[in-house]
Amino acid sequence: AQSVTQPDIHITVSEGASLELRCNYSYGATPYLFWYVQSPGQGLQLLLKYFSGDTLVQGIKGFEAEFKRSQSSFNLRKPSVHWSDAAEYFCAVAGFYNQGGKLIFGQGTELSVKP
Amino acid sequence: DTAVSQTPKYLVTQMGNDKSIKCEQNLGHDTMYWYKQDSKKFLKIMFSYNNKELIINETVPNRFSPKSPDKAHLNLHINSLELGDSAVYFCASSHRTATEAFFGQGTRLTVV
Repeated sequence: AQSVTQPDIHITVSEGASLELRCNYSYGATPYLFWYVQSPGQGLQLLLKYFSGDTLVQGIKGFEAEFKRSQSSFNLRKPSVHWSDAAEYFCAVAGFYNQGGKLIFGQGTELSVKP
Repeated sequence: DTAVSQTPKYLVTQMGNDKSIKCEQNLGHDTMYWYKQDSKKFLKIMFSYNNKELIINETVPNRFSPKSPDKAHLNLHINSLELGDSAVYFCASSHRTATEAFFGQGTRLTVV
């Protein structure tokens, strides 16, 4: 069965420190992978996506993610965290042509930023 | 301009009532979705519509009935509301089923 695991429920980092949020997926074919961010009381905003090609993808707000097929991972990184990055982060995998575009989400990682 | 908009943003209602949530997108997409986010923030798809045709119904109780009058709208009607229906409901849209989804702001439904 397809699934996404985000091992860290809650992470706290200091402002200016680097960040890595982990995501592991289980999917039978080549996955389409996404990271979304949800600020309190807001909807989900797409940070970045991986469909094919270069395994290091750049997103908005200075985020990047690396697809590692051998490790079934798609970790999100940011070199220097800002206080405004505090939010909930969701990793998701999609099956498109045979699954109607359904996104399967991980449990989410809540990021807190210390001043 | 709001890309995917949902109304209302908050909805408080009593058990047994019937309520609707409306969703509209102005992105020109032909695929729309409803997702449910529970109290633990877990997100799960409920329905997917492509060109007004239902393509995913993820074992949702038949008290939930989506309706897509046109490609830009996907409404969700819920009959006989139960306490367990309390959640945040997100509408989303995408271009066909093969691209990223754009989400609305969510509707927080509270059943009392």
